[in-house]
Amino acid sequence: NAGVTQTPKFQVLKTGQSMTLQCAQDMNHEYMSWYRQDPGMGLRLIHYSVGAGITDQGEVPNGYNVSRSTTEDFPLRLLSAAPSQTSVYFCASGLIGSGNTIYFGEGSWLTVV
Amino acid sequence: AQSVTQLDSQVPVFEEAPVELRCNYSSSVSVYLFWYVQYPNQGLQLLLKYLSGSTLVESINGFEAEFNKSQTSFHLRKPSVHISDTAEYFCAVSILTGGGNKLTFGTGTQLKVEL
Repeated sequence: NAGVTQTPKFQVLKTGQSMTLQCAQDMNHEYMSWYRQDPGMGLRLIHYSVGAGITDQGEVPNGYNVSRSTTEDFPLRLLSAAPSQTSVYFCASGLIGSGNTIYFGEGSWLTVV
Repeated sequence: AQSVTQLDSQVPVFEEAPVELRCNYSSSVSVYLFWYVQYPNQGLQLLLKYLSGSTLVESINGFEAEFNKSQTSFHLRKPSVHISDTAEYFCAVSILTGGGNKLTFGTGTQLKVEL
């Protein structure tokens, strides 16, 4: 099983550049989400989706856009990268329901210089 | 809003010794509780979770956690750790209704098992 697949694994961007982090899952999960992980701050929710065509903001949405055109894919777009967006990004998915397990991808390391 | 506190950022322990990783939460509504583990350069994996029923929950690799509602705690314990348990451990909560699948994480505890 592929599970949750993220690409790229590593990326270096210059300030002001845009890019898209890709996320795909093959478990037919309705719920998908993006988190960022920063030292000493744990994981913080950026955006999430409960199905195709439905997205909503999490705790730290500024500077990021998402869309959900299919059940499988949930890309995260950085419109104009800033050094403060240097972080490790995790995509996660699960069946709808607050007690259900959330499955994480292996992460995307992003550095903005 | 919910919050999760993991007071210990790092816990060093010798192999075969017991360990406890502390987690306290704050919420005005009922929550589900989770422990996730992150091995170096990997994503998070669910270790165990408390939804209802017995307040003591166990994982397949010997960890256990006990939900204590009066103390709003969900501490993680293992009676004898192994080198392979070296990882970062995150406590998380989600609210029972109205919050969907959203998880609120603590800041993590780095468990370092030494020989």
